[in-house]
Amino acid sequence: SAVISQKPSRDICQRGTSLTIQCQVDSQVTMMFWYRQQPGQSLTLIATANQGSEATYESGFVIDKFPISRPNLTFSTLTVSNMSPEDSSIYLCSVAGGAYGGYTFGSGTRLTVV
Amino acid sequence: DAKTTQPPSMDCAEGRAANLPCNHSTISGNEYVYWYRQIHSQGPQYIIHGLKNNETNEMASLIITEDRKSSTLILPHATLRDTAVYYCIVRANAGGTSYGKLTFGQGTILTVHP
Repeated sequence: SAVISQKPSRDICQRGTSLTIQCQVDSQVTMMFWYRQQPGQSLTLIATANQGSEATYESGFVIDKFPISRPNLTFSTLTVSNMSPEDSSIYLCSVAGGAYGGYTFGSGTRLTVV
Repeated sequence: DAKTTQPPSMDCAEGRAANLPCNHSTISGNEYVYWYRQIHSQGPQYIIHGLKNNETNEMASLIITEDRKSSTLILPHATLRDTAVYYCIVRANAGGTSYGKLTFGQGTILTVHP
């Protein structure tokens, strides 16, 4: 299975600022996914990022708020823009693949907006 | 992807088998059953998946009913480290190039006690 390095692991940010989260994979992958996990809740998919094309956003998520870059097959970034306390969540990246069709997740970025 | 129903919480004594049920009565013929778990503050971890036959790996066993409308994840000898949220997910395409998103429900909080 792929190994994912996600940075930063946690951050405390001021409202109105932006934070960029990085996801580095140790192998080339076609599809990468970004999830949000609000406190006490399950994971919600934000968007799917394919290399060389625009990310596909789920209902309720927009590119202006969560711009995503996917410059190559091993790297992606998610930016949380103009943050408010409601954006306080864990953000996780994931890649598809592996020997048995499973998905691998990064360790997450715990974001607190004050 | 088909919707799943899981009990919100379960308890298990250390060393005993933990049996986690999942209902997926609207599952389609080409949809697989996946199980993931999320230990506190970590990214979800793949456990096992199956289509119609029972499956076993080093972590767990997956029992799928003949009509495929429900399944049970079995941790044969639960340890304290198995305390986590367990997610049952059904989706098509367990491999190849047709990966897609995973849709997480609320999962089952499994607490293993001494």
